Amino acid sequence: DAGITQSPRHKVTETGTPVTLRCHQTENHRYMYWYRQDPGHGLRLIHYSYGVKDTDKGEVSDGYSVSRSKTEDFLLTLESATSSQTSVYFCAISESTGAPPGELFFGEGSRLTVL
Amino acid sequence: GENVEQHPSTLSVQEGDSAVIKCTYSDSASNYFPWYKQELGKGPQLIIDIRSNVGEKKDQRIAVTLNKTAKHFSLHITETQPEDSAVYFCALKTWQLTFGSGTQLTVLP
Repeated sequence: DAGITQSPRHKVTETGTPVTLRCHQTENHRYMYWYRQDPGHGLRLIHYSYGVKDTDKGEVSDGYSVSRSKTEDFLLTLESATSSQTSVYFCAISESTGAPPGELFFGEGSRLTVL
Repeated sequence: GENVEQHPSTLSVQEGDSAVIKCTYSDSASNYFPWYKQELGKGPQLIIDIRSNVGEKKDQRIAVTLNKTAKHFSLHITETQPEDSAVYFCALKTWQLTFGSGTQLTVLP
């Protein structure tokens, strides 16, 4: 299994509070991603990173920010959590995105409930 | 972004039967079509992929077919077993991977 650790694995919080999810990898892969998984929507890309301090938005980035200060760590922050951000969040890593694109390796997910 | 429609959303088959999941897309620039399997409580895992210059690819009991003209690709699982029960996601790549909405496959003993 790819060395990806997500923390926390479960969190319950209240509307308006800040939340940070952490993704830690031991594979030294360049690319890191945050997805959210919701019923009927599959996996949707929130933000991704293509190197230290290099990040970009995905298709559902509103209300989320990310940071990557080290190759191995990618943080997802909800500045002020809302109930619509209740979801399961997955971190993923890959070696490349070119042709051919690299395989995505996923963490085990972080379940966030916003009351 | 690119839309990919996945059907069916749920599928139940008897052990030993075949299962087929289909995805359709609209952007002809898509050139990479992977399938991921997600077991309960775990993250998705790549099981097979196909590139736009290939029409079919097999790996033991699973196969993927691609019809670029009609813009659809399908996952075929033969001789299904209980351990095939999972959620399956199709995906395609343009600038990033876009995932379908998933199919819950249940293999009945």
